[in-house]
Amino acid sequence: GDSVTQMEGPVTLSEEAFLTINCTYTATGYPSLFWYVQYPGEGLQLLLKATKADDKGSNKGFEATYRKETTSFHLEKGSVQVSDSAVYFCAPGNSGGYQKVTFGIGTKLQVIP
Amino acid sequence: NAGVTQTPKFQVLKTGQSMTLQCAQDMNHEYMSWYRQDPGMGLRLIHYSVGAGITDQGEVPNGYNVSRSTTEDFPLRLLSAAPSQTSVYFCASSSVEGVVGEQFFGPGTRLTVL
Repeated sequence: GDSVTQMEGPVTLSEEAFLTINCTYTATGYPSLFWYVQYPGEGLQLLLKATKADDKGSNKGFEATYRKETTSFHLEKGSVQVSDSAVYFCAPGNSGGYQKVTFGIGTKLQVIP
Repeated sequence: NAGVTQTPKFQVLKTGQSMTLQCAQDMNHEYMSWYRQDPGMGLRLIHYSVGAGITDQGEVPNGYNVSRSTTEDFPLRLLSAAPSQTSVYFCASSSVEGVVGEQFFGPGTRLTVL
C-alpha cells in the first residue's frame, strides 16, 4: 500500500529563517500530493497540493514541487513567521481513486521570535 | 456553509461505556471518513464511506461502528470504550468531483477513556 516518510520533529526555527520539511512517499501510479497543516487545537486543513509530476503547489508563502523521479514532495518556505507554528502533514492521495489518503506522522514546527 | 462539524468537542468516558461521536457535512460530499490521531502515529483511518448506505473498514476499525443513512451524517460509535481509545478523532469529507485525496476536516473530538 501507499506510505509516506517525513521527519517527526519538532523543528524549531527563528523567525525569518528558511524552512524545509522533507517528504518522500511510495505509491502505485502517480497520486496527487498534499500538504495539510494543523494549527493548535484545530483540525487539519489543506495547505497546498500538486496533481501531476513537476507541478508546484503554493499557498501562504509555502511551496512544494511534485518530483516523480525521487517520489518526493518537500515543503519549503523562505521566511517563516511565528504564526506558522503548527504541525504539517504530507499526504499522497490514494492512486486507486478511493479518496483515501495516507498521512505522514506530522512534523511539528515551532517558530520563535 | 458550516463545512464539517463534529460534536462533542471534548468527552470523558469510563471504561466500558458506549457513546456516539457525531459528524455532519453540508457540502453534499459523497465520501466521509473517520480518523484517530495519536502522538507519533499521525492519522489512522478507522472507517470510511463512499456514499449513503455504504461503509468500509480502514486501518484500525476494531471497537468502532459506523453507519451512513444520509449523505450528510456519519456517526462513529464506540461500543465499549477502552483506555486505548483515548485519542483525538477527526471526521473528514471529500467530493468525487474534486482532486482525489483532497479532504475537508472537522475540528475534532478529544476523547479520554478512564
